[in-house]
Amino acid sequence: AQSVTQLDSHVSVSEGTPVLLRCNYSSSYSPSLFWYVQHPNKGLQLLLKYTSAATLVKGINGFEAEFKKSETSFHLTKPSAHMSDAAEYFCVVSSMDTGRRALTFGSGTRLQVQP
Amino acid sequence: EPEVTQTPSHQVTQMGQEVILRCVPISNHLYFYWYRQILGQKVEFLVSFYNNEISEKSEIFDDQFSVERPDGSNFTLKIRSTKLEDSAMYFCASWLGLGIEETQYFGPGTRLLVL
Repeated sequence: AQSVTQLDSHVSVSEGTPVLLRCNYSSSYSPSLFWYVQHPNKGLQLLLKYTSAATLVKGINGFEAEFKKSETSFHLTKPSAHMSDAAEYFCVVSSMDTGRRALTFGSGTRLQVQP
Repeated sequence: EPEVTQTPSHQVTQMGQEVILRCVPISNHLYFYWYRQILGQKVEFLVSFYNNEISEKSEIFDDQFSVERPDGSNFTLKIRSTKLEDSAMYFCASWLGLGIEETQYFGPGTRLLVL
């Protein structure tokens, strides 16, 4: 079985300050991990993914995430928040080894960016 | 850049009516998915489809749901007799299904409201 826990349902930061969105995963096999972003009334856009290559993954819009197997974590960071980063962020896991292609989503973290 | 498209963007229906949600996956992708997101809840997997048959389904995907790829480009989700609790955003996704490229690409969603 696989699962994802996003530790914060809401995060509020000031524009220009760092962003940290926390995610822990559970998977019986080698996981693939993703962060998707959902802007209001929009679809799901892939930010970045980890698929067993480099543990530090860089994505779009200045976001990056680090896969830490010992901590079963895949936290999303950005050095400096922009107003346009305000959105819902989903940490997602899939485990190819089981043949299960379906994605398992976390419950989401709503990021607010204050001016 | 190729993208997944979905129609309609919004649909309102009466309880008990049948609805068909349509998706056009990315043209060379082999795996297709439906997910749903009830307002305020996490995104949930419904079904995956490969080689013209269902490859996996969740417990949500009961007998009132069906999927079809009628013409080689469209991928549809039919809800036979809608219930109030079917109100949700429905996302279609597709995956190349080859090699190590694991990313599922999502459409913009169809917001279904059952009255």
